[in-house]
Amino acid sequence: NAGVMQNPRHLVRRRGQEARLRCSPMKGHSHVYWYRQLPEEGLKFMVYLQKENIIDESGMPKERFSAEFPKEGPSILRIQQVVRGDSAAYFCASSPPTTGDEKLFFGSGTQLSVL
Amino acid sequence: GESVGLHLPTLSVQEGDNSIINCAYSNSASDYFIWYKQESGKGPQFIIDIRSNMDKRQGQRVTVLLNKTVKHLSLQIAATQPGDSAVYFCAENGEEAGRRALTFGSGTRLQVQP
Repeated sequence: NAGVMQNPRHLVRRRGQEARLRCSPMKGHSHVYWYRQLPEEGLKFMVYLQKENIIDESGMPKERFSAEFPKEGPSILRIQQVVRGDSAAYFCASSPPTTGDEKLFFGSGTQLSVL
Repeated sequence: GESVGLHLPTLSVQEGDNSIINCAYSNSASDYFIWYKQESGKGPQFIIDIRSNMDKRQGQRVTVLLNKTVKHLSLQIAATQPGDSAVYFCAENGEEAGRRALTFGSGTRLQVQP
């Protein structure tokens, strides 16, 4: 029973390029969450998605950032025209569809470095 | 408000001692709380959770205490081992994403001295 899978583990981009981060939730999970973590800080909520729907994107910057969770395939967090301030660890988490189990299961993260 | 760029508070204990990590949560409407352990270069790993209708819950070597009056949560680790060295985060189901997402605290680094 594979856990939450994120790839790539490390991503290096130059300023102005695009970054695509992928997340496959745990089997049977239909809710996906993206968090961002800066060094020595806690995780900050970005966006919450269900299959084909963005439920809450209140934590995501209005420009350059977008997220999707298509019917087939992984969830994608896309950052256009990256800047140095985008450098961070991006974690994906998933949870099952039923309420009552609010535990989130996290992937190993993608470390984004912008040169 | 958010704290930016501050170093994590550190708790240093001797191997075999008990550790207590504290957390103050912010939202009095939260009714679910959870502790995660994060090792360097890894994602957060579930340790233990508790609902607001309880004030104590025990797991294997870990105990979580909840004091709703003062909005305080603690994690007790018995007989701390070197493998317990990590950053520990408390989280609550505050307001984010309709209370589906978790709001994380700023974390405490636990260092276990052999």
